Amino acid sequence: SQQGEEDPQALSIQEGENATMNCSYKTSINNLQWYRQNSGRGLVHLILIRSNEREKHSGRLRVTLDTSKKSSSLLITASRAADTASYFCATDSKYRDDKIIFGKGTRLHILP
Amino acid sequence: EAQVTQNPRYLITVTGKKLTVTCSQNMNHEYMSWYRQDPGLGLRQIYYSMNVEVTDKGDVPEGYKVSRKEKRNFPLILESPSPNQTSLYFCASSVRVGSGNTIYFGEGSWLTVV
Repeated sequence: SQQGEEDPQALSIQEGENATMNCSYKTSINNLQWYRQNSGRGLVHLILIRSNEREKHSGRLRVTLDTSKKSSSLLITASRAADTASYFCATDSKYRDDKIIFGKGTRLHILP
Repeated sequence: EAQVTQNPRYLITVTGKKLTVTCSQNMNHEYMSWYRQDPGLGLRQIYYSMNVEVTDKGDVPEGYKVSRKEKRNFPLILESPSPNQTSLYFCASSVRVGSGNTIYFGEGSWLTVV
């Protein structure tokens, strides 16, 4: 079954505003990661949150994890034009140690 | 510098002409994987390898082959490419999958099959 479904599929906001993206998954996980992809480029790791953590911060990024709802959110504060990219969540299953599954991503566009 | 290098970056080929996309990583990673990315479908895993001489099918393996003879290299082979294999391909590696290890991606290979 598909893990990691991001929501919304696309998001446009003004520069300086905060951007929030959500990720839902279906089976229990050990870890959830967020990745960023600039147009047509490889994905780059942003932040990891483990299943026993509820919130992590890294610079302008804030990630939350709610294992009871099987969901995570990525908040980018004070957005910049350079934040324009696609953002993916990736989960590794508690029951399979050979699988990490990426969602379909949220396309974020920061308007000047 | 930690890198996953894939070649070629861009390729236009004809139906049925065998091609190989190479992938090499310099981080001594055990885990390597190939993905394809298509609009609206996200990243789909083609094949993965947990270590040398160990490969497994991902979600969309049909029409592809891989090999892992050395730890650093994981080539993707299209024996008889077809137009539905036109896509953006990514090679990725990690120390090992799971445990929250970071996955490192190559820059992608744009493949067009005509």
